Amino acid sequence: DQQVKQNSPSLSVQEGRISILNCDYTNSMFDYFLWYKKYPAEGPTFLISISSIKDKNEDGRFTVFLNKSAKHLSLHIVPSQPGDSAVYFCAARPPGSNYKLTFGKGTLLTVNP
Amino acid sequence: GAVVSQHPSWVICKSGTSVKIECRSLDFQATTMFWYRQFPKQSLMLMATSNEGSKATYEQGVEKDKFLINHASLTLSTLTVTSAHPEDSSFYICSANQEQYFGPGTRLTVT
Repeated sequence: DQQVKQNSPSLSVQEGRISILNCDYTNSMFDYFLWYKKYPAEGPTFLISISSIKDKNEDGRFTVFLNKSAKHLSLHIVPSQPGDSAVYFCAARPPGSNYKLTFGKGTLLTVNP
Repeated sequence: GAVVSQHPSWVICKSGTSVKIECRSLDFQATTMFWYRQFPKQSLMLMATSNEGSKATYEQGVEKDKFLINHASLTLSTLTVTSAHPEDSSFYICSANQEQYFGPGTRLTVT
């Protein structure tokens, strides 16, 4: 049972435009959500996170939106740059989980020059 | 800062042999290590969590006698895949502490 779902395996956008990566979850106990970026042959690197008490968190070009009622979060990248091309993983964890994360399958973002 | 290394980066072994993967924190102390496995086009699946000096806690469905985890120091954790089978071929990644600093991963192929 996939508790964190990234239904789009890939996304292609033009440089300078907005990239929107989506993530849905089924476990209402999750209270902290994270986005990771992964290049081939490298481990994931942390991008941005959001607590369930917030509905938006912004860091430079990256903004994460959380809609708890819909159990949905999204990562917006604007403006998109070719260097943003990577696989993006959504992850979530419940409280008291000893920081154990549940990951989605990832979305491959390609930003075309 | 917060660099995690893994060794080897890739390994090929024969069925029935054992393989050890090392995960090191280079510039910080890793009190907690997480070991993940990722099959192609799948998500990272947590295998086990280990705290320095304690026995690892394995996720449901992960055989603790097959995937031996040792976390004897604050900078090193090892994962040993015993009696490897082709089905164990996967990408193994470690991460450290609550911040989840990830290593670069190890590609294991069992022939």
